[in-house]
Amino acid sequence: KAGVTQTPRYLIKTRGQQVTLSCSPISGHRSVSWYQQTPGQGLQFLFEYFSETQRNKGNFPGRFSGRQFSNSRSEMNVSTLELGDSALYLCASRLGLGDANQPQHFGDGTRLSIL
Amino acid sequence: QKEVEQNSGPLSVPEGAIASLNCTYSDRVSQSFFWYRQYSGKSPELIMSIYSNGDKEDGRFTAQLNKASQYVSLLIRDSQPSDSATYLCAVKPGSARQLTFGSGTQLTVLP
Repeated sequence: KAGVTQTPRYLIKTRGQQVTLSCSPISGHRSVSWYQQTPGQGLQFLFEYFSETQRNKGNFPGRFSGRQFSNSRSEMNVSTLELGDSALYLCASRLGLGDANQPQHFGDGTRLSIL
Repeated sequence: QKEVEQNSGPLSVPEGAIASLNCTYSDRVSQSFFWYRQYSGKSPELIMSIYSNGDKEDGRFTAQLNKASQYVSLLIRDSQPSDSATYLCAVKPGSARQLTFGSGTQLTVLP
């Protein structure tokens, strides 16, 4: 069974640009969450999507947005990039929202560097 | 107070020893608890989950949960150099749908 797939693996952008990251969940998983990981802040929750709807949102500015498609694939967009957006962006999937005990499974991440 | 707290380490143990990793959480009604292992430059990998008080064993790993003390730990027996990684504690608070992660404990197993 294929795991969570994130593309691209690495990305270099400059300040003010925008970027779109992609995530394909494990087959059958319908919930996709996005996280930002930095050395200083650790793993921080961005948002979660289920059935093409954002179900939960962390404390990030509106420059960070996402969407989910009918096949459960998800994209995350960051506009007007800032130096502080340099981070590893991780996507995690799980079966759904109903079972609170479901673990999340992570993709390999997209490492975004802002110059 | 952070919602999930871990000692950042680094924690060093000799090969073959028991490594003990600790995590405390603030939400008393938290329901689910997970340990993830993250190698440098890699994504977190789920290694243990625990939902009820007591111990749960899986190979060389034992997770321990004490809800009264709001404490969850991970023991790694017969530690190997390949266990050297950052270990993340994740908790699902009672009122939230998403996991809250600790900052991680860096473990080094010395050959």
